[in-house]
Amino acid sequence: QQPVQSPQAVILREGEDAVINCSSSKALYSVHWYRQKHGEAPVFLMILLKGGEQMRHEKISASFNEKKQQSSLYLTASQLSYSGTYFCGTDSISGYALNFGKGTSLLVTP
Amino acid sequence: GAVVSQHPSRVICKSGTSVKIECRSLDFQATTMFWYRQFPKQSLMLMATSNEGSKATYEQGVEKDKFLINHASLTLSTLTVTSAHPEDSSFYICSARGNGGRSPLHFGNGTRLTVT
Repeated sequence: QQPVQSPQAVILREGEDAVINCSSSKALYSVHWYRQKHGEAPVFLMILLKGGEQMRHEKISASFNEKKQQSSLYLTASQLSYSGTYFCGTDSISGYALNFGKGTSLLVTP
Repeated sequence: GAVVSQHPSRVICKSGTSVKIECRSLDFQATTMFWYRQFPKQSLMLMATSNEGSKATYEQGVEKDKFLINHASLTLSTLTVTSAHPEDSSFYICSARGNGGRSPLHFGNGTRLTVT
């Protein structure tokens, strides 16, 4: 089942913050966050496994709610290099393939 | 360094021909690999799960006779697009997960297929 991602697109000025949400109608085993640049494969950012967990990758952090149905990605003090499409991938069983949301296009401008 | 290696990165072929894409796990033995397809500005859609030593499991709507998957060893899975048509033009990406709950999905660099 494909998770629901929002917003679809965000435009930021360098230094601004953004939040990307990913939700599912049922409890998940894990949530993975990826960033994809145009023409390239997705790059892994972080994985959340436990309800209430928070993880960080440089100035990007993410949370997983207690019910394990919703995750948010927080981009703080955005940099130009943050531009790209962000995908959340989810699984209901460990080790299985991930179902990806439709993606959030993020553009950071000078 | 790369954990999953995919080859070729780009291929252009004529309609009706077949194309083989290779995917290798470099740092670990992958009993299972996953093949995704991505159309421009769209999400990654799972095509099939490749199982070492057994038949692949295809997602609904994916023709198994058109997209042949072979997982002959613990480090190599191949996807062959048979009798390719222009509508098969897409970005094909293989992936594999290590063992353990916190193992991420490692992606190959993808193959850009253009069918003329």
